[in-house]
Amino acid sequence: EPEVTQTPSHQVTQMGQEVILRCVPISNHLYFYWYRQILGQKVEFLVSFYNNEISEKSEIFDDQFSVERPDGSNFTLKIRSTKLEDSAMYFCASSTPRGQGGEQYFGPGTRLTVT
Amino acid sequence: AQSVTQPDIHITVSEGASLELRCNYSYGATPYLFWYVQSPGQGLQLLLKYFSGDTLVQGIKGFEAEFKRSQSSFNLRKPSVHWSDAAEYFCAVGQMDSSYKLIFGSGTRLLVRP
Repeated sequence: EPEVTQTPSHQVTQMGQEVILRCVPISNHLYFYWYRQILGQKVEFLVSFYNNEISEKSEIFDDQFSVERPDGSNFTLKIRSTKLEDSAMYFCASSTPRGQGGEQYFGPGTRLTVT
Repeated sequence: AQSVTQPDIHITVSEGASLELRCNYSYGATPYLFWYVQSPGQGLQLLLKYFSGDTLVQGIKGFEAEFKRSQSSFNLRKPSVHWSDAAEYFCAVGQMDSSYKLIFGSGTRLLVRP
């Protein structure tokens, strides 16, 4: 069964450093998302991406964040200058259009720890 | 604004007992509703979804959920819980505009007594 993959599984970085989280969505999916989950809290939407552009972003997704689909398979989230409060589990998800089912499939997550 | 409420933070049931996890949503139009399960240290696995049609939907692992528009609810049920069902359960509503983003509830942690 196809699945969403994410690398690395755990990333430790120092405050102020740049990090890139990588995701490989399911190959025939067209919509891509990043969510985050701070320890013990709910899963929060960060950004959605379709047709090579951001379709929506949340208040959390400020100028320090960016997303890119550099080739036909990868989908990345970059945090330009990490803060302590960026420590969280980051989930990538992908989906087909609603007419084809539309549910979002999630990757296993990348745990980001900012020290 | 759209929102999802899961009123129970923790629920403990005995193995073999029935289970119901509550979910209430606030959404202006007909919602797309989902239940996801998260085992410790794992990602989110889709249990079931409601898009339209029959209001009682069946999912994986023996779970089902019923959409009740009049109560704005989408409660998850299982007739007989197994120890392996211990996990965190998240209800989510899908926003049907251009982004299709999911809005999650705060989750219910299920503990299963042997």
